[in-house]
Amino acid sequence: DIQMTQSPSSLSASVGDRVTITCRASQSISNYLNWYQQKPGKAPKLLIYAASSLQSGVPSRFSGSGSGTDFTLTISSLQPEDFATYYCQQSYSTRSFGQGTKLEI
Amino acid sequence: QVQLVQSGAEVKKPGASVKVSCKASGYNYINYGISWVRQVPGQGLEWLGWISADNSNTNFAQRLQGRVTMTTDTSTTTAYMELRSLKSDDTAVYYCARTVVSAAADYFDYWGQGTLVTVSS
Repeated sequence: DIQMTQSPSSLSASVGDRVTITCRASQSISNYLNWYQQKPGKAPKLLIYAASSLQSGVPSRFSGSGSGTDFTLTISSLQPEDFATYYCQQSYSTRSFGQGTKLEI
Repeated sequence: QVQLVQSGAEVKKPGASVKVSCKASGYNYINYGISWVRQVPGQGLEWLGWISADNSNTNFAQRLQGRVTMTTDTSTTTAYMELRSLKSDDTAVYYCARTVVSAAADYFDYWGQGTLVTVSS
């Protein structure tokens, strides 16, 4: 099975900051990498699919990049509603998630 | 609009089975499969499996093989996930998610609201 490792596990930031979260796969997954945002008590929400494609309705301050084993999610200017937990997920083989990154104020 | 509405919370004893439903609406059901994902309270997301809308194809997480069954009913646009031989560490919120599968991408674009399954004696 492919292991997905996110870093950092938690991150403190302020409104207006630029933030980058990293996801590394244990083997190449091409661009079969997706990013989700989850707020407490809510279902996850798709942000980015296929490593860099922005899901419809998601603000353009969110962007994704990478290919192969190393990927990043960047939030260009943090807004109050962006404080949440973020998960990467691979779909190259048996689907799996990273352990999550909690973004806190 | 696309909606996935799941059945209500369940409390089960160890060794029992649970069946969670996921009623889809607002899109052509046959064009998308359904994945199931669970989340132990306070922990991360775990993918459980996927089923094509026409029941012709399934794929499960290795650790649940033999304990989980996934089915869909195209006449009612409802997907089902049954988990047997429940243990206390199956206590979690279970989500269904519409799954886009193409040559270039594979992702979960709409999610149900979640169903809390509690396993306790």
